[in-house]
Amino acid sequence: GQQLNQSPQSMFIQEGEDVSMNCTSSSIFNTWLWYKQDPGEGPVLLIALYKAGELTSNGRLTAQFGITRKDSFLNISASIPSDVGIYFCAGRRTGNQFYFGTGTSLTVIP
Amino acid sequence: EAGVAQSPRYKIIEKRQSVAFWCNPISGHATLYWYQQILGQGPKLLIQFQNNGVVDDSQLPKDRFSAERLKGVDSTLKIQPAKLEDSAVYLCASSLVARGAPNYGYTFGSGTRLTVV
Repeated sequence: GQQLNQSPQSMFIQEGEDVSMNCTSSSIFNTWLWYKQDPGEGPVLLIALYKAGELTSNGRLTAQFGITRKDSFLNISASIPSDVGIYFCAGRRTGNQFYFGTGTSLTVIP
Repeated sequence: EAGVAQSPRYKIIEKRQSVAFWCNPISGHATLYWYQQILGQGPKLLIQFQNNGVVDDSQLPKDRFSAERLKGVDSTLKIQPAKLEDSAVYLCASSLVARGAPNYGYTFGSGTRLTVV
């Protein structure tokens, strides 16, 4: 299946700091999604991106659809303890199937 | 609206036993997906249904896994017989999307954590 690589694999940051993570692919995607997964729960959709270059915000979260259509970025500003979790990107080429990334584990230190 | 319901939440079985998982999607969602998430990895699609028809089952290990969505609503995923490497969280997701329509992403259930010993 399609492999999406996320980096960094894990992050340990102080509360209040900003966070940046990215997702890259060898293939072009038409849609990018960002999900957050808490322990023992299913992933929850954070942001959806549909056009190359698109920049979309959801509260303190901002995500961008890369110009090359092979990458996407997620930024979290002023992190808080409840931001802890695993962040997954997901990309769609054609059809309705999304391919998920390898995940970025975020730990926020109070 | 109610979310995607899955049961059971946890299951421990011995290898070579059988197991079944149940999913009730969000009301009105035509598309239903089963994903397998191995610890430390992202979800991997096993099978996608559009109403009661299979759209994509290319990554479903059909020698041991089966899934059905008889009335286009609830779905069951079965493993028979289970192997140690089947230990994972099995996630069900649903979406409003119809074939050819924009995809606004999935809503996931909480998953069933399977441990095969």
